[in-house]
Amino acid sequence: EAQVTQNPRYLITVTGKKLTVTCSQNMNHEYMSWYRQDPGLGLRQIYYSMNVEVTDKGDVPEGYKVSRKEKRNFPLILESPSPNQTSLYFCASSYAGSNYEQYFGPGTRLTVT
Amino acid sequence: SQQGEEDPQALSIQEGENATMNCSYKTSINNLQWYRQNSGRGLVHLILIRSNEREKHSGRLRVTLDTSKKSSSLLITASRAADTASYFCATSYGQNFVFGPGTRLSVLP
Repeated sequence: EAQVTQNPRYLITVTGKKLTVTCSQNMNHEYMSWYRQDPGLGLRQIYYSMNVEVTDKGDVPEGYKVSRKEKRNFPLILESPSPNQTSLYFCASSYAGSNYEQYFGPGTRLTVT
Repeated sequence: SQQGEEDPQALSIQEGENATMNCSYKTSINNLQWYRQNSGRGLVHLILIRSNEREKHSGRLRVTLDTSKKSSSLLITASRAADTASYFCATSYGQNFVFGPGTRLSVLP
C-alpha cells in the first residue's frame, strides 16, 4: 500500500530534550516536506526536500533541522524543543508527475512541557 | 509569504445543500490545490487546478480559479454528512507550499 508513515504518532517531552520524528514514504517520491499545524493558522511548511541531500527552508524553519540521506526517509529533528513547538506535525511527499499533489502522513502530536 | 486564506472560517449546511468555500492568495502561483482533513488526521488531496485553467470538475466537486483576483472557490454539490471536515486551499510556487487556515464544514443530517 502506498503510504507515508510517521513515528511516533504521539510524543510528550520536556524542554531541551532532543527528539527526532521519523517520516518514510514507499512511493519513490523525490519531494518531501514537513508541516506544523496550529489552531487558526492552518499548515505551515517547516522544511522541504527536492531530492537526496537537497533541502530548503519553508516558512517556519527556526528550531528545526532535517536531513535527506535516503530518498524514502526525511526525519525532523528538534535539537532543543521548547513549549512553542507543541503542535501537530505532518510529513508529506510528492512527485513532479502529479503536479506535486501531496500525500500526507497521519500526523505526530507533540507536546513539549 | 503567499498566504492563502479561506472564507468562511466555518460553514454549517443541511444534507443535500451545496457548500461553497473561497480562497484568496497573494502572489503568483503554479497551481492551486484543495485538500480535506478529517479531525486531526492527515490531509487528503481533492483537486488541483493549474494557473492557466479557470474551472475544473471532479465528481461533486467544482473548482474555479481567477488569477486576476487571486482567488479560487470550491463548490461541493449535494452535500452529505460524510463531507463534514475541514477544507484547505494550498498554493505553490515550486515546492514552497502555503496553506490557508481552512474552512470547517459541518453537514447536518
